[in-house]
Order: sequence, then structure tokens, then C-alpha cells
Amino acid sequence: AQSVTQLGSHVSVSEGALVLLRCNYSSSVPPYLFWYVQYPNQGLQLLLKYTSAATLVKGINGFEAEFKKSETSFHLTKPSAHMSDAAEYFCAVSVNSGGSNYKLTFGKGTLLTVNP
Amino acid sequence: EPEVTQTPSHQVTQMGQEVILRCVPISNHLYFYWYRQILGQKVEFLVSFYNNEISEKSEIFDDQFSVERPDGSNFTLKIRSTKLEDSAMYFCASRPGTAGQPQHFGDGTRLSIL
Repeated sequence: AQSVTQLGSHVSVSEGALVLLRCNYSSSVPPYLFWYVQYPNQGLQLLLKYTSAATLVKGINGFEAEFKKSETSFHLTKPSAHMSDAAEYFCAVSVNSGGSNYKLTFGKGTLLTVNP
Repeated sequence: EPEVTQTPSHQVTQMGQEVILRCVPISNHLYFYWYRQILGQKVEFLVSFYNNEISEKSEIFDDQFSVERPDGSNFTLKIRSTKLEDSAMYFCASRPGTAGQPQHFGDGTRLSIL
């Protein structure tokens, strides 16, 4: 079965600083990987996805993530944090669990706070 | 841009009562899902639905739960006899048929069991 580990339940950065949110996955077959963001009282919004094309994936709002198979990692970065980036971020893995279901398995999430 | 809509946004129910959570997935999507997020915990898969039948369900999805797509647009989750531990945020999601396409989520229904 697949799993996701997000290191750091809470990350705090200053506005303008680099954002790095860590995600490691475990999967016995090549996975699809996703980052979702959740703002307070809202649903999960897709930031970016890795689907076996380019290993460096660009998403919305200036975020990007790099798939490293050797490290089983898919860390999320943004060069310069903005106050509006404050939210909870979830890494998720998806594999074909039979019948092309591709259910998502989520990490526990990382709460990002941005200090002025 | 099309979106997944869920109603109600908040449901308060007495323990033991039945509750139905409603979702309207994106119209051309083929796979439908329910997830839940207990406060402070991670998002957990409940069930997936394809071609008018359940394609996979988790251990959480016991006999108290059921799903239906009654009219080709709505997708519902029913809990027959609610328990205190059913209190959570419930998310509906849908995705197109192509493998690797991301799931699109609704804003969720917060279910509070008293």
C-alpha cells in the first residue's frame, strides 16, 4: 500500500523567504503525486501534479515541486513567500488500486504561516 | 471553471439520526469519491464510485454508509445511524476518466453529531 510522510506539521517563514515543504512517499508502483492547498474553511485546491513527464513541475501561485525517484521525495518550494500563501498544504499519492480508481492517499499536512 | 459543489456546508444532527450529504460533481467527470477529515487529522479515503457502482471502499466505509448517484448529476453519501465519531469534514471529489488526472474537490460539508 502507498503512504505519504510530510516532515514538519508546522512551518513558519518570513515574507519574501524561501518556502520548502517536505514530502516523502512510499509506493510499490510508479505513482502520481499531487500537492493540494487548503485555505481556512475551504476545500482542497490543486497546486500541482506529477504524472511521469518532467520531474520538475510548476504549479499555480509560483509553487513548484521536484520528483526525485531515488529519494522517493516530492518537496514543494516557492522562492519568495507571500502573506497569502498562509494555508495548510497536503501532499498526496495516487496509484491504480484496481479498476483504475486512483484513490488519493494524503499526508498529515503542513501548516504554513508567513510572518510579516 | 467548472467546480464540485457540496451541500449543506454545515450539518448538525443528533446521534442515531440518518444524514445525507450531497455533491454535484463536474459534469464530464467519470470517477467520484468521498473523503473525510476528522478535526486535526489527515484526509482519509472513504469510497470511490464509477459506472454506477462502488469500485473501492475503505475499512471506515462500513454498513452504516452508502453512496448513490440517483439522477446522473448528484452524488450522495448517506450515514444511516450517526455516531459521535462520525463528526468530521466530508469532501466530495471527482475526476475525468484519464489516469493521472487530478481529483477536483468541493468545499466540504462539516458534519457535527451531538
